[in-house]
Amino acid sequence: GENVEQHPSTLSVQEGDSAVIKCTYSDSASNYFPWYKQELGKRPQLIIDIRSNVGEKKDQRIAVTLNKTAKHFSLHITETQPEDSAVYFCAAIGDTGFQKLVFGTGTRLLVSP
Amino acid sequence: GAVVSQHPSRVICKSGTSVKIECRSLDFQATTMFWYRQFPKKSLMLMATSNEGSKATYEQGVEKDKFLINHASLTLSTLTVTSAHPEDSSFYICSAGRPAARYQETQYFGPGTRLLVL
Repeated sequence: GENVEQHPSTLSVQEGDSAVIKCTYSDSASNYFPWYKQELGKRPQLIIDIRSNVGEKKDQRIAVTLNKTAKHFSLHITETQPEDSAVYFCAAIGDTGFQKLVFGTGTRLLVSP
Repeated sequence: GAVVSQHPSRVICKSGTSVKIECRSLDFQATTMFWYRQFPKKSLMLMATSNEGSKATYEQGVEKDKFLINHASLTLSTLTVTSAHPEDSSFYICSAGRPAARYQETQYFGPGTRLLVL
């Protein structure tokens, strides 16, 4: 089955800096890669996702890149703000339709003012 | 976006009692819902896939007699923790996707239920 690894486990940056979180996956058939942001005690919120037919997707300060050959994908946050502080989870799904998500272990991002 | 609700948001119960958690899709029909468990500072662990009108599919290591799942309608799935024990204390979260959406893989999460078993 799919296995997703995520690094780093914690990331501290200064406000305005960029943050990059990386994930690798094991199943070459995986074709959907969402990123979720979870604040303490709250539900995971989808912030961006990418499908295997594209290599990069951007939404304002957030971007995701996908390298299918190397089986890794990354989340990039530019101009970080204190409100970006949260735990970020990457995930992968093997098939289209309603298949289960496999989550990474999470990255705790702390943005200091 | 799609809205998924959960009830209750938190529950405290005595050891040995059963607790039912409801997951509802408020503005869409969900043929499939997922139940996750999350320990403090840990990732989400999929417990089971709930299919409307049929039996749930449980992940390896999850006791189906312990965690009863019922998906009786297209908008409601329930998770019942039977004979709860302190080790069942956790944050339980459900998710659902929109079958009619262009991208069916996108899952929307409920707010979660924090269970504390004394």
